[in-house]
Amino acid sequence: DAGITQSPRYKITETGRQVTLMCHQTWSHSYMFWYRQDLGHGLRLIYYSAAADITDKGEVPDGYVVSRSKTENFPLTLESATRSQTSVYFCASSEYSGSYEQYFGPGTRLTVT
Amino acid sequence: LAKTTQPISMDSYEGQEVNITCSHNNIATNDYITWYQQFPSQGPRFIIQGYKTKVTNEVASLFIPADRKSSTLSLPRVSLSDTAVYYCLVGALRGANNLFFGTGTRLTVIP
Repeated sequence: DAGITQSPRYKITETGRQVTLMCHQTWSHSYMFWYRQDLGHGLRLIYYSAAADITDKGEVPDGYVVSRSKTENFPLTLESATRSQTSVYFCASSEYSGSYEQYFGPGTRLTVT
Repeated sequence: LAKTTQPISMDSYEGQEVNITCSHNNIATNDYITWYQQFPSQGPRFIIQGYKTKVTNEVASLFIPADRKSSTLSLPRVSLSDTAVYYCLVGALRGANNLFFGTGTRLTVIP
């Protein structure tokens, strides 16, 4: 099916562990984005990518690593998870840039204990 | 990039027209205004985008005054299913990626 998917949908991990959230889109969109959503802060951009092998920081990049070796995939890695990274994470893609329509995935709810 | 200011929440009765205003005093010449809708436990969904005057689609209308320092999203005859959070963003179509979603406006439709 065409679209944008995220996995896992739910994840519980312990402080200090590495965890990777996956994002896959089937439209061959150039741009992909990672957001986190927390109560009181709304939706904040973590990283974005304009194309394969091109990534850039967003508003809250600390503690996260991204890569984009293929156009369709944009994994987000928490190298050493902290409780403050407990959040809902959304991946999005867009054909041209962030100001064009972004298509969001269903989200990953991550809990760090 | 320009940030936006929206009311935190609004209530409306079913069947009424709802207008949500967004302030963007620092909007740049090349910036477009975009609105998203987010239902609980889902990712945001694009509603409408415009540059000036008025834009209308099957879901909503977007009114932008001449000075473009604000915009108003209009939802005609809302139903309970329109209960959601609505976000206003501004940014140039080319090269604007670090967009500010903020906390949006939580619209509650009352039966």
